[in-house]
Amino acid sequence: NAGVTQTPKFRVLKTGQSMTLLCAQDMNHEYMYWYRQDPGMGLRLIHYSVGEGTTAKGEVPDGYNVSRLKKQNFLLGLESAAPSQTSVYFCASSILAGGPHEQFFGPGTRLTVL
Amino acid sequence: EDQVTQSPEALRLQEGESSSLNCSYTVSGLRGLFWYRQDPGKGPEFLFTLYSAGEEKEKERLKATLTKKESFLHITAPKPEDSATYLCAVQDGSQYGNNRLAFGKGNQVVVIP
Repeated sequence: NAGVTQTPKFRVLKTGQSMTLLCAQDMNHEYMYWYRQDPGMGLRLIHYSVGEGTTAKGEVPDGYNVSRLKKQNFLLGLESAAPSQTSVYFCASSILAGGPHEQFFGPGTRLTVL
Repeated sequence: EDQVTQSPEALRLQEGESSSLNCSYTVSGLRGLFWYRQDPGKGPEFLFTLYSAGEEKEKERLKATLTKKESFLHITAPKPEDSATYLCAVQDGSQYGNNRLAFGKGNQVVVIP
């Protein structure tokens, strides 16, 4: 049981380049989330999904797009990377809400945009 | 306006020196308060969920408590392996359908041997 996995672990982009971050979970969780973590800012929600085929905006969605074509995968895309998107990105998942449930996090992707 | 405020931001402890971390929150209709541990270069690891004022949970040297306005994470006789950043997160009543959490900025703890 791998839990939540993220690829790649590290990436360096030039301004204007595009890339996709992949999150996969093997816990059959309905809900998935993408966060970014910056020094002094804490974890901020970018986008989330409450089920296959659905996505919604979080706190800081600008410059990012997401897709959830399969229940186990949640993709985060940067169409035209900017230096302000240099950050550590975390994916998380949780079971279907029915009460407040903990989120399980992946190991993170460290992205640098030059 | 921050929903979750953690203090102190950073704390250095001698091994064996007990202390407490504070998480104050301003959400209405708290449904759950969560504590996570995060080691450098890793993702947050779940520790506890507290649901109502007066509730307490323990795990090894850690004990989490909850009041109507704040939560404390007590670290008793800490060891160097307790060095980490501790994150607090809350879920309010408006997030029932999506299980969203609002995180604080964390308490960075260093335990010196």
